Amino acid sequence: KAGVTQTPRYLIKTRGQQVTLSCSPISGHRSVSWYQQTPGQGLQFLFEYFSETQRNKGNFPGRFSGRQFSNSRSEMNVSTLELGDSALYLCASSLTVDPTEAFFGQGTRLTVV
Amino acid sequence: DQQVKQNSPSLSVQEGRISILNCDYTNSMFDYFLWYKKYPAEGPTFLISISSIKDKNEDGRFTVFLNKSAKHLSLHIVPSQPGDSAVYFCAASAPGSQGNLIFGKGTKLSVKP
Repeated sequence: KAGVTQTPRYLIKTRGQQVTLSCSPISGHRSVSWYQQTPGQGLQFLFEYFSETQRNKGNFPGRFSGRQFSNSRSEMNVSTLELGDSALYLCASSLTVDPTEAFFGQGTRLTVV
Repeated sequence: DQQVKQNSPSLSVQEGRISILNCDYTNSMFDYFLWYKKYPAEGPTFLISISSIKDKNEDGRFTVFLNKSAKHLSLHIVPSQPGDSAVYFCAASAPGSQGNLIFGKGTKLSVKP
């Protein structure tokens, strides 16, 4: 069974640009969550989608957005990139509506220069 | 304010001995706890979880203990192996949190041959 797939693995963007990251969950998983990992803050929850609906959102500015498609694949977008957005962005999928046993992808390493 | 705390940034253990990783939480609403292992440049890998209705869960070499009165959980690895060297994250969720796992900042475990 294929795991959670995130693309691209690495990305370098310039301040002010926007970026779109992609996540394909494990087959059959309908819940997709996104996290940002930085050395100072650790893993922080961005948002969660279930059946194409955002059900929960973390404490991030509106520049961070996402969506989920009918096949459960999800994308997150960051607009007007700032240097502080440099981080590892992780996607996790889970089978049930509860965040139990969430399975993570390998992440997308975003560097903003 | 950190709701999930891992107070030891690092732990060094001899191969074959027991590794004990600790985690404290402040939110009494948390009802599900998970441990993840993370290697550099990879996403977290789910290890083991425990519901708040239990005080112990065991899976092979990994055992998680939950002390609700102390708001404390621990992960025991017996026997420790060099391949266990990684960063271990404790995470918690509350009912209805919809994908929002609250993570500790991790403990780096080094198992020496």
